[in-house]
Amino acid sequence: AQSVTQLGSHVSVSEGALVLLRCNYSSSVPPYLFWYVQYPNQGLQLLLKYTSAATLVKGINGFEAEFKKSETSFHLTKPSAHMSDAAEYFCAVSDLGNEKLTFGTGTRLTIIP
Amino acid sequence: GAVVSQHPSWVICKSGTSVKIECRSLDFQATTMFWYRQFPKQSLMLMATSNEGSKATYEQGVEKDKFLINHASLTLSTLTVTSAHPEDSSFYICSANSGRGYNEQFFGPGTRLTVL
Repeated sequence: AQSVTQLGSHVSVSEGALVLLRCNYSSSVPPYLFWYVQYPNQGLQLLLKYTSAATLVKGINGFEAEFKKSETSFHLTKPSAHMSDAAEYFCAVSDLGNEKLTFGTGTRLTIIP
Repeated sequence: GAVVSQHPSWVICKSGTSVKIECRSLDFQATTMFWYRQFPKQSLMLMATSNEGSKATYEQGVEKDKFLINHASLTLSTLTVTSAHPEDSSFYICSANSGRGYNEQFFGPGTRLTVL
């Protein structure tokens, strides 16, 4: 079964600094990969997805992620953090032929003024 | 496009009562919907997969008689928590398969259930 590991349950960065949230998956076959953001008491919003078309994926709100097969990673980055980026971020993976998403445990991003 | 709504957004009920939560895809048809449960400061736990016109598929450990799921149309799935107890208090989130491929899901805003 697929699994997703998000290193760092809490990440704090200063406003304007680089944001790096880590995600590693377990599949030997490149899956579909997603990053979602969740604001308090809300559902999940899709930031970006990897579907094998390009290894560097650009998403909304200035976020991007790079798929690295050799490292089985799909880390999320943003060059300059904004206060509005403070939220919970979830990495998720899905296999071909299986509609289910497997979520990581989430990373809470705090932005320091 | 691709908006998923949930109703109600929050509900408080007495122990022993049943609560129904609706999940609707507003501008697209969803052959598959999913129901998740999320505890405070934790990830999402998939409860069941709901397919239009057929019985839901429950994940291991989820009581199908406690959490009744009905997917009556391509735009509506409902979750009924029967005989709710305080331990059922949680944040319930639904999602719908976008139909765009890649197993992309669009999520509803969630329903906060508190059982007294």
